[in-house]
Amino acid sequence: NAGVMQNPRHLVRRRGQEARLRCSPMKGHSHVYWYRQLPEEGLKFMVYLQKENIIDESGMPKERFSAEFPKEGPSILRIQQVVRGDSAAYFCASSPTSDGDEQYFGPGTRLTVT
Amino acid sequence: RKEVEQDPGPFNVPEGATVAFNCTYSNSASQSFFWYRQDCRKEPKLLMSVYSSGNEDGRFTAQLNRASQYISLLIRDSKLSDSATYLCAVTSGGYQKVTFGTGTKLQVIP
Repeated sequence: NAGVMQNPRHLVRRRGQEARLRCSPMKGHSHVYWYRQLPEEGLKFMVYLQKENIIDESGMPKERFSAEFPKEGPSILRIQQVVRGDSAAYFCASSPTSDGDEQYFGPGTRLTVT
Repeated sequence: RKEVEQDPGPFNVPEGATVAFNCTYSNSASQSFFWYRQDCRKEPKLLMSVYSSGNEDGRFTAQLNRASQYISLLIRDSKLSDSATYLCAVTSGGYQKVTFGTGTKLQVIP
């Protein structure tokens, strides 16, 4: 049973470009969560999605950031017009249900904005 | 007050020592509790769930104190390989959203 998969593992973008981060949940998991982690800081919740639905996006910046989890294919976190402050590790996690189940994390995407 | 609080450490302990971490949470309606381990530049990995009755997994023991709203993790006979950051996670809210603490760094010294 493959774990949570994320790609790319490393992404370098120039300021103003778009970044697309992909996450495929564990088999059988239909709940996806995105987190951001700055160096030496904790995990910050960004968004929680189920297939074709955004359930909670309270942690997402209001501008430039968007997320989706289509019926087919991976969940995507999109950052438009990236700035240096967007440089961070972005982790995706999945769980089988939303009833307080433990979450399983992917290896993360390290975004560097130059 | 933060929803979930941990002492950031670092805790520097010799091999073989016993070390304990606490994590406090603010929402009395929280229902599920977890400890995760995160190695440097890696993803968090689930270490263990925490149950009201307490649970043990080898050298690791987790406890929940609902009255005082904290969870604890005890590591016995510390190994060098235990060096990592330990994150506590607590669920709350309508769909039991998971909130992570900022982590406690453990360094086991030879």
